[in-house]
Amino acid sequence: QQQVKQSPQSLIVQKGGISIINCAYENTAFDYFPWYQQFPGKGPALLIAIRPDVSEKKEGRFTISFNKSAKQFSLHIMDSQPGDSATYFCAARRGGSEKLVFGKGTKLTVNP
Amino acid sequence: DVKVTQSSRYLVKRTGEKVFLECVQDMDHENMFWYRQDPGLGLRLIYFSYDVKMKEKGDIPEGYSVSREKKERFSLILESASTNQTSMYLCASSFGGATNEKLFFGSGTQLSVL
Repeated sequence: QQQVKQSPQSLIVQKGGISIINCAYENTAFDYFPWYQQFPGKGPALLIAIRPDVSEKKEGRFTISFNKSAKQFSLHIMDSQPGDSATYFCAARRGGSEKLVFGKGTKLTVNP
Repeated sequence: DVKVTQSSRYLVKRTGEKVFLECVQDMDHENMFWYRQDPGLGLRLIYFSYDVKMKEKGDIPEGYSVSREKKERFSLILESASTNQTSMYLCASSFGGATNEKLFFGSGTQLSVL
């Protein structure tokens, strides 16, 4: 069973546009929600993360929006740039566990 | 700079061979992980180790085993490789604990089993 559902599978955005990737979860024991960014030929790297006690976290052009009641969280990339073209993974971790559960990934392409 | 190093970038093996994938981290991390990455399936956890000689099964442990004899080294073993184990394998490590969740990944090993 898929614990974290991520959509869309792929996304094409024009330079300067807003990229939005969505994730949904079922397990209310999850208490940590990171996003990882992966460039071709590289391993994923932590981009930004949020805990459920806040509804939004912003770091530069990247924002996580978190809706606890809907059990959904999303990544917004403002002013998307070609250098943002990568695969993005949402993830979740249950409190007390060291293990992350990942979504299936979204391949983002930002056209110049 | 933190580093997780996987011994091979590309590996080609024959069906039935015993395969060892090696991972070394230089950050004195407690936790180490092996993930498998397949297109459309995302990252799936194979095994996890939270201390030397300690291991825990992940979501897809069948056909794999692991070894952690030293803190910095975590090995993934395919006892008898099969074609359905052709995949990208990613090693990761973390400090562990509620405030140290960040995973550091290696660049991956692309394994092809023929």
